[in-house]
Amino acid sequence: DTGVSQDPRHKITKRGQNVTFRCDPISEHNRLYWYRQTLGQGPEFLTYFQNEAQLEKSRLLSDRFSAERPKGSFSTLEIQRTEQGDSAMYLCASSLSSGSTDTQYFGPGTRLTVL
Amino acid sequence: AQKVTQAQTEISVVEKEDVTLDCVYETRDTTYYLFWYKQPPSGELVFLIRRNSFDEQNEISGRYSWNFQKSTSSFNFTITASQVVDSAVYFCALYFGNEKLTFGTGTRLTIIP
Repeated sequence: DTGVSQDPRHKITKRGQNVTFRCDPISEHNRLYWYRQTLGQGPEFLTYFQNEAQLEKSRLLSDRFSAERPKGSFSTLEIQRTEQGDSAMYLCASSLSSGSTDTQYFGPGTRLTVL
Repeated sequence: AQKVTQAQTEISVVEKEDVTLDCVYETRDTTYYLFWYKQPPSGELVFLIRRNSFDEQNEISGRYSWNFQKSTSSFNFTITASQVVDSAVYFCALYFGNEKLTFGTGTRLTIIP
């Protein structure tokens, strides 16, 4: 069973450019999460999907951010007009909902640097 | 407010020593779950353990053990006979039914050979 994968692993971009990240969850996991982690901090929740439905978005997710999970499998996170403050590690996690709670398994992350 | 506090920012111990990482949480919910994750230099968060609020039994897995005490809202993690491969950042996290994890700021553990 392969784990969560993310692409790219690293992205360097100039301020004002758009970037898109991809996450492939563990197969058959119906929930997919995006978190952001800045240096010296724990991950902070951005948004999550159950199948293709985006069920919650954090206040951290400004209108420059958009996430999709079109067929309930992989997901993309796009940041438009990047700012230096967007520099962070973007982590994706997936889980299989079991009615009580479920364990989230994380991918290796995409490290974004905005120059 | 839901909050996780890991007061130890960095810990260094010599290999083979035991080390305990502290985690204190705040929540008004009676049903919640606590997690520990390990983040090695590669960056990927590795799941270690999940504990629900109704199960205060301590757990041991090899060199790892966890002590959950609701009375003090703590969920501490002990590594026995530490090894260099244990060097990583360790995160404690809280889940209380809103589908997201609330993480502490992490403890960077360095095992000195």
